[in-house]
This record gives sequence, structure tokens and C-alpha cells, in this order.
Amino acid sequence: QPVLTQSSSASASLGSSVKLTCTLSSGHRGYSIAWHQQQPGKAPRYLMKLQGSGTYNKGGGVPDRFSGSSSGADRYLTISNLQSEDEADYYCETWDSSSHKVFGGGTKLSVL
Amino acid sequence: EVQLLESGGGLVQPGGSLRLSCAASGFTFNNYAMTWVRQAPGEGLEWVSGISGNGDDTYYADSVKGRFTISRDNSKNTLYLQMSSLRAEDTAIFYCAKSADSGNSHFDNWGQGALVIVSS
Repeated sequence: QPVLTQSSSASASLGSSVKLTCTLSSGHRGYSIAWHQQQPGKAPRYLMKLQGSGTYNKGGGVPDRFSGSSSGADRYLTISNLQSEDEADYYCETWDSSSHKVFGGGTKLSVL
Repeated sequence: EVQLLESGGGLVQPGGSLRLSCAASGFTFNNYAMTWVRQAPGEGLEWVSGISGNGDDTYYADSVKGRFTISRDNSKNTLYLQMSSLRAEDTAIFYCAKSADSGNSHFDNWGQGALVIVSS
């Protein structure tokens, strides 16, 4: 079963860019993932599906400021022109052949 | 517009039972796998259970296997989670989530959540 590793926290200034990382465990580096955003006190929101090739497909209404990329076992979420509403927890998710789902521990993003 | 509306949460004593429901609308319900995900207070997301579109296949996390049962009524566009032998560590917000397609895939829509508190 794959394991997803995320940094527990990140911070960046208003108007700047930030790149969050989700790392797949050994033997699973080709897996696709999904990114989800959870603003304080709210339910999670789907952002995008990101393939190992770096191709990503965003959910409806997700701003152009959000993009994805991949390198080896690492899957990235880049947020440009940071806004105050981007302050949230960000989770990556993947799935295995047994239909079990796995989440990373989440990254808490602070916008300074 | 996809809508997922959970209900049935509440306070239950350790060892007790509770059934959560998730009413779905805005999509052809029986074409999509569905899932329950929970989040303990101050913690991250934990996958709990999943079910195929026709209900024939079910999947459980080890932490709930044998205690929780997932089911669906496609005639009512509703997903269920029957929880029994509840423990304090089951206290969490429970979210239902829709898979992006009929197969094994990621979630693309979430409900607003139902709070379950297990306490005496």
C-alpha cells in the first residue's frame, strides 16, 4: 500500500508563490494523486488530479493560480499570487489496486 | 451541481451504534463509487470505507473492519454507514465523498460532514 509524505507546515507572503510537496513511497512513484484543500472549519474541497507525467486536471471553479507538477516520486501543488483565502490545510490522496484510499498527513499553509 | 448531504451524527455512548446517511443529488448516483472519510478533532483525513456503484463491492480500513458496514440504496440516491461497537477514538467528523468515475479513482466532491461524538 502506498504511503504519502507531506511537510506539516509551510508559509509564504501574500501575493507570492508557494510549492507544496507530496512524496510517494518507494515502489509507488508512478502513482497519480489528487490534491484537496480544507479551509478552517470547512469540509475538504477537491482541487485537482495530478499524474506522474505532470499532467493535471482541475476541479470546477479552481482558480488558475493553482497548478500541479511531478518529478519522480514527488507531486507538487503550486499556488501563485497567494491570497488570504488560500490559508488552509492541503492534503494529497492516492488509491491502490485494492480500492483502498490513502491520505498524506496534510500541510498547513500560512499566508503571511 | 453535485450535492452530498450527510445526516445522522450525534452523541453516542461507547459500545453503542449509529447510522449515518448521505443524500446525493446532481449526478447519476449508481454510476459512481462512494466513500466515507473521517477526521478526528485536530487531525488529518482518514479513509474509512468505500462501495462500488452497484453496491456489490465494499472496502474497509482495518480500524473499522467488522464494526462498520457501508451500503447504498440507489433507488433513493443515498449512501449509508452503519457503525456499531463505537469507541472514543471513533469521535470525528464523517464526510461522504464521490469518486470521479465508476472505477477506482480519486474523490471529486465532498459533503459538509456529520459530527459523531462517542462519549459517556
